[in-house]
Amino acid sequence: GEDVEQSLFLSVREGDSSVINCTYTDSSSTYLYWYKQEPGAGLQLLTYIFSNMDMKQDQRLTVLLNKKDKHLSLRIADTQTGDSAIYFCAERNTGRRALTFGSGTRLQVQP
Amino acid sequence: GAGVSQSPSNKVTEKGKDVELRCDPISGHTALYWYRQRLGQGLEFLIYFQGNSAPDKSGLPSDRFSAERTGESVSTLTIQRTQQEDSAVYLCASSGGLAGTETQYFGPGTRLLVL
Repeated sequence: GEDVEQSLFLSVREGDSSVINCTYTDSSSTYLYWYKQEPGAGLQLLTYIFSNMDMKQDQRLTVLLNKKDKHLSLRIADTQTGDSAIYFCAERNTGRRALTFGSGTRLQVQP
Repeated sequence: GAGVSQSPSNKVTEKGKDVELRCDPISGHTALYWYRQRLGQGLEFLIYFQGNSAPDKSGLPSDRFSAERTGESVSTLTIQRTQQEDSAVYLCASSGGLAGTETQYFGPGTRLLVL
């Protein structure tokens, strides 16, 4: 079945760039998503990328997709303390509407 | 409303009791999803509704779990004879609409604690 893996924790200093990585196994993935979850809150969609793209930029966020290696990354430029949260990678394939999520990466931004 | 809403926000129940969780999707969204998030983990898919089609129940963990949706509006997730392992945050999401976008928008969740 599908599997999505993420590292558990990342710590960066305010102002630095953060890179959160994700790998997935489903070769028929069509959409890949990044969601942000702050403490006690639901999931906020940050960005998504179609599988026929290799890069998408949206203000401070850059998503890179290496379809051959099934590797997705989220780069946050000029990381701020407000970016501290858990970031979830998720994928969806053509045969299924539900998303498969990774376990989340906790980003800690130190002032 | 502007977003997906869920109620209650928190629910504490005793083992063996039944609980009902409610989700109000974004108006006009045709698809509705339920997920479960255990502490420190990612989301597990439970069930999916699309319009008047038969729901995809492939993620329901046992026959104690069921869900209903009235048309393209409110959904209720019911857990019968709750067990301690049912303790989790239950998240609802909706997608679709006139533009047909597949992006799922999530509600704030219901935090369920089974004592």
